[in-house]
Amino acid sequence: EAGVTQFPSHSVIEKGQTVTLRCDPISGHDNLYWYRRVMGKEIKFLLHFVKESKQDESGMPNNRFLAERTGGTYSTLKVQPAELEDSGVYFCASSQDGGAYVYGYTFGSGTRLTVV
Amino acid sequence: RKEVEQDPGPFNVPEGATVAFNCTYSNSASQSFFWYRQDCRKEPKLLMSVYSSGNEDGRFTAQLNRASQYISLLIRDSKLSDSATYLCVVKSAGTYKYIFGTGTRLKVLA
Repeated sequence: EAGVTQFPSHSVIEKGQTVTLRCDPISGHDNLYWYRRVMGKEIKFLLHFVKESKQDESGMPNNRFLAERTGGTYSTLKVQPAELEDSGVYFCASSQDGGAYVYGYTFGSGTRLTVV
Repeated sequence: RKEVEQDPGPFNVPEGATVAFNCTYSNSASQSFFWYRQDCRKEPKLLMSVYSSGNEDGRFTAQLNRASQYISLLIRDSKLSDSATYLCVVKSAGTYKYIFGTGTRLKVLA
């Protein structure tokens, strides 16, 4: 079974530019999550999709961040315009219905974003 | 105060040693608890879920104390390959949202 795939693995952009991160969850997983780890801090929740619907977006830092999951398959996270404080590692994860309660998530390997 | 608190370490222990990590959480309504392992520049991977009665998986034992709101992880007979960061994770009540601790670094020395 293929795991959670994220692309790109690394991205270096200038302040003010736009970056789009992509996540392909495990096939059949309706639940998809985005998390972020900023340098020196803990991993923090950004948002949660159930199929194509945003279930919880309470962790999105501001309106420069836009997440979509058209068709309930892969998801994108766009940052526009990027600021220096957006630098960090962005993780995507997925789980089956209810799996998060006992079996946890499966994380992707992350996208390391550097804004210069 | 952070919702999930861990001692960041590092814990440097010799091979074969027993080491224990604790984690405290602030939300008494939290429902699910996990230990994840994260290697340097890699993604977190589930080590074990933590059940109310405590649970064991080989050399790893997890305990939950709801009254005191803490979770523990015990590693027996440490191996070099156990060197990693161990993340305490609490699932927020009523949602699928995970709250992570900052992680505890473990280095097992030869």
